Amino acid sequence: AQTVTQSQPEMSVQEAETVTLSCTYDTSESDYYLFWYKQPPSRQMILVIRQEAYKQQNATENRFSVNFQKAAKSFSLKISDSQLGDAAMYFCAYRSEKWGSGNTGKLIFGQGTTLQVKP
Amino acid sequence: EAQVTQNPRYLITVTGKKLTVTCSQNMNHEYMSWYRQDPGLGLRQIYYSMNVEVTDKGDVPEGYKVSRKEKRNFPLILESPSPNQTSLYFCASSRDGVSGNTIYFGEGSWLTVV
Repeated sequence: AQTVTQSQPEMSVQEAETVTLSCTYDTSESDYYLFWYKQPPSRQMILVIRQEAYKQQNATENRFSVNFQKAAKSFSLKISDSQLGDAAMYFCAYRSEKWGSGNTGKLIFGQGTTLQVKP
Repeated sequence: EAQVTQNPRYLITVTGKKLTVTCSQNMNHEYMSWYRQDPGLGLRQIYYSMNVEVTDKGDVPEGYKVSRKEKRNFPLILESPSPNQTSLYFCASSRDGVSGNTIYFGEGSWLTVV
């Protein structure tokens, strides 16, 4: 079974600085998707960025980028020029590309990392 | 606007009193699922549905039921709620269950069972 681990329960960053959130995962599959979701105090789940495992190029969305290391099964999120509005809980998630053998289309989430942004 | 709508957003109920959390999506998605979020555990799948009349258990199905009689609706039913079902619940939908297409989440439903 696949697992996702976020080893940093809390992180803090100074406004305008850069921060990296860590995520590791375990899988025997070769085809899958990885996601970072942001959950602000409103508790809404907001997709930040998505990475296809077959793509070597790291995904980028404005100030958000990932460092995807497939062999190491690592998927970190870098937030550049941090803003007060980035303060939230961030979840790393995995989704298999295959159906069956325990794959139910679910997202497998890490425990979450709470990011504090200091002015 | 593409959206997943859940109701109620907040509910306090008593042990054993049946309740239903509704979920509706307007994107004609085949795949829908329910998650619960608990501190330190992330989100875990409760039930999912591949299509109308096709539902199956996720990782934490005990104490829950679902139905999928129409494509757009996927209600979560707690027949006899217990305090350990106090949680934040999310309904989610996507075009299918295997691609990286955007997965849309509802705004969440806070449920407290006393």
